[in-house]
Amino acid sequence: QVQLQESGPGLVRPSQTLSLTCAVSGDSVSAYGTAWNWIRQSPSRGLEWLGRTYYRSMWYNDYALSVKSRITISPDTSKNQFSLQLNSVTPEDTAVYYCARWNSGYDFDAFDVWGQGTMVTVSS
Amino acid sequence: SSELTQDPAVSVALGQTVSITCQGESLRTFDASWYQQKPGQAPVLVRYGKNNRPSGIPDRFSGSSSGNTASLTITGAQAEDEADYYCNSRLRGGDPVVFGGGTKLTVL
Repeated sequence: QVQLQESGPGLVRPSQTLSLTCAVSGDSVSAYGTAWNWIRQSPSRGLEWLGRTYYRSMWYNDYALSVKSRITISPDTSKNQFSLQLNSVTPEDTAVYYCARWNSGYDFDAFDVWGQGTMVTVSS
Repeated sequence: SSELTQDPAVSVALGQTVSITCQGESLRTFDASWYQQKPGQAPVLVRYGKNNRPSGIPDRFSGSSSGNTASLTITGAQAEDEADYYCNSRLRGGDPVVFGGGTKLTVL
């Protein structure tokens, strides 16, 4: 059974960096056909995809245009986890942050496993 | 604004059938996937691909698609189906994936 678990600070000061980690169990972050994603949710923005990292003979990243200048997602194969860094945060970045596995295959393209989510508040 | 459009709210009488729709040009190319989210919980995948259901999801949840519209149908809605439902698909160009704005389903 694949499980994802987010961890990180629940409070971040404006202009600082938001850092979260997603620990993966039951699968490998290097597995073909998967991508490891960060998604956030706020009342004003709904579910918002932020970015992903995936391995296809080498590591790739894709980022949402809305945060592309501020975001980094990195895999850590030694710990089987991946991380999110979001720079220069503002109160608009206050949200519940989820990590999720995108599974891709024949007739299958979906986020099939989600972490429980972690609330991050940006406030001074 | 989302590139996938959903009605904000839908209601259904207990035991009746309801369809939740999702519209967007990406759906002409890519299949929609559907997620159920209850308050305080993470989204759960309920339908994916042409018409597939993850293990553990009741068979009253079905999916279909035509043109630029995908639908999630609940046949014989139960009280526990009251939740927010989100559609999602891949995109060609721009961000690689997108979510709809969500539909709040009320079971009366």
